[in-house]
Amino acid sequence: DAGVIQSPRHEVTEMGQEVTLRCKPISGHDYLFWYRQTMMRGLELLIYFNNNVPIDDSGMPEDRFSAKMPNASFSTLKIQPSEPRDSAVYFCASSFIVGGSNEQFFGPGTRLTVL
Amino acid sequence: KQEVTQIPAALSVPEGENLVLNCSFTDSAIYNLQWFRQDPGKGLTSLLLIQSSQREQTSGRLNASLDKSSGRSTLYIAASQPGDSATYLCAGAAGNKLTFGGGTRVLVKP
Repeated sequence: DAGVIQSPRHEVTEMGQEVTLRCKPISGHDYLFWYRQTMMRGLELLIYFNNNVPIDDSGMPEDRFSAKMPNASFSTLKIQPSEPRDSAVYFCASSFIVGGSNEQFFGPGTRLTVL
Repeated sequence: KQEVTQIPAALSVPEGENLVLNCSFTDSAIYNLQWFRQDPGKGLTSLLLIQSSQREQTSGRLNASLDKSSGRSTLYIAASQPGDSATYLCAGAAGNKLTFGGGTRVLVKP
């Protein structure tokens, strides 16, 4: 398997623009997670899905952030409008439960810079 | 609310020395604990996962222990190599949600 795939790998945009980050989870995984990593706050969970349904979005910082999972092989994280403080690395991870274990596997991340 | 702490934030050792990385958590009702490695500019690579019913897990030169009563996990890396230089993060799971520590940045000097 190719692992978790994220695109784009780097995104530079101007304040106020819409940004869409994409994720393809590992085939067969039924959990998908979106995280954000910054120097100040470390790694934070934004939202996660189970079987394409959002389960917990308590980590989404503001209404400017939204996430969707239209099918088992694709998810998007959208920021509209973007602000400089949204600059961070955004990671997608996926997992499935086997033997009581829910080990998460991470994608390479999208480095977002908002000017 | 689960809080995860990793001390020290950075560590430098000579090649060949054993590495001991510490992770502490506040909520003993932990589902499992996962250790990751992150190289600069890269994603996270899962190293070991210890379920709450387990005391330790081993993979090659890596051994991770879990003591729920004291709220601690330790990652041991035997006979460190320069290629082990990276940031190591631990994360505690409450259900399906991971709470990450701040990481320990490791430098193994040749």
